[in-house]
Amino acid sequence: DIQMTQSPSSLSASVGDRVTITCRASQTMSSYLNWYQQKPGKAPKLLIYVASSLQSGVPSRFSGSGSGTDFTLTINSLQPEDFATYYCQQSYSAPYTFGQGTKLEIK
Amino acid sequence: QVQLQESGPGLVKPSETLSLTCTVSGGSISSYFWTWIRQPPGKGLEWIGYISYRGSPNYNPSLKSRVTISVDTSKNQFSLKLNSVTAADTAVYYCARDLRSSAGTHWFDPWGQGTLVTVSS
Repeated sequence: DIQMTQSPSSLSASVGDRVTITCRASQTMSSYLNWYQQKPGKAPKLLIYVASSLQSGVPSRFSGSGSGTDFTLTINSLQPEDFATYYCQQSYSAPYTFGQGTKLEIK
Repeated sequence: QVQLQESGPGLVKPSETLSLTCTVSGGSISSYFWTWIRQPPGKGLEWIGYISYRGSPNYNPSLKSRVTISVDTSKNQFSLKLNSVTAADTAVYYCARDLRSSAGTHWFDPWGQGTLVTVSS
């Protein structure tokens, strides 16, 4: 199985800040990486697919980059609604695994 | 737009079978892949398996011996059965569409709202 490791596990930031979340895969996987946002009591929501493609309807302050084993999710100018947990997920090979999550909290 | 809704018992006894159905509305179940994912309370996400509209499944090896995913195109539904459940199977279960590109990449969108299944006597 491909292991996905996110860092940090939690992060405190303020409205207006720029934050970066990192996801590292245990083996190379081209750009087969997706990012999801999950708010308490809600289902995850797709933000970024194929490492850097922005899902329709997702604000442009969200961006993704990377390939191979190292990927990043960047949020520019944090908004109050962005405080949530973020997960990366590899779609390179089954079983499709998720990172452990990064909880983004208000400072 | 496509919407998904999970349904099924919220409480299952240990050693019995967990059965859930996902109803797809706003679009056809045909031509897509469909997946199940679960999340134990306070924990991360685990992919359970997917099925194609043609009925070909692929399961997580960690659950393969206990899982069956099936599709009913006439009802626009797909289903999950997990047998011999234990307390470790207590989780919120999500269904989602598994969108695939021609390049072979894929992602999960949209997701159902999720349903909590508790395994307890």
